[in-house]
Amino acid sequence: AQSVTQLGSHVSVSEGALVLLRCNYSSSVPPYLFWYVQYPNQGLQLLLKYTTGATLVKGINGFEAEFKKSETSFHLTKPSAHMSDAAEYFCAVRSTMNTGNQFYFGTGTSLTVIP
Amino acid sequence: DAGVIQSPRHEVTEMGQEVTLRCKPISGHDYLFWYRQTMMRGLELLIYFNNNVPIDDSGMPEDRFSAKMPNASFSTLKIQPSEPRDSAVYFCASSSTTGRSYEQYFGPGTRLTVT
Repeated sequence: AQSVTQLGSHVSVSEGALVLLRCNYSSSVPPYLFWYVQYPNQGLQLLLKYTTGATLVKGINGFEAEFKKSETSFHLTKPSAHMSDAAEYFCAVRSTMNTGNQFYFGTGTSLTVIP
Repeated sequence: DAGVIQSPRHEVTEMGQEVTLRCKPISGHDYLFWYRQTMMRGLELLIYFNNNVPIDDSGMPEDRFSAKMPNASFSTLKIQPSEPRDSAVYFCASSSTTGRSYEQYFGPGTRLTVT
């Protein structure tokens, strides 16, 4: 069985400060990993993904995440927060096995950016 | 591409009425997912289809919920009869396993209010 844990349902940072949103997964084999962002009254939008290759992946809006197999983590970072980054962020995993295309989402982290 | 299209965007109905939510996936995508999002329960997978065939409907809350995908470009989620606890935002998402992209693309959602 697969699961995703996002530590911290609410994170507040000052504008210009580092953003760090944590995601840990539980899976018998390393899965495919995704981060999505949801702005108010909108659907989820893909920020970045890790499937194979380089473990540090870059996404849109200056975000990046690093897959660390030994720590079963896929934390999302951004060097300098902008007001427009305020949103809900979801981490998700998908099995690499050919067992369907289901995603398992975390419970989300609400990011507040303080001016 | 227009992305995933959902209609209506907002639906207000009275308890006991039938509600039908509609989704048009991205052309060429072979998977379609229905999710429900509430403050209390977060993002829940209700059902998903592969090539128009339901694969996993274990997330459907009860027999009042049903989903169909009569062709590759259209799906419906029906609630009959509706209850106030069904109030939520319902998202449709689609994905393609061609080219090993895997990521799910979400529609803007339908906000359902049952009074």
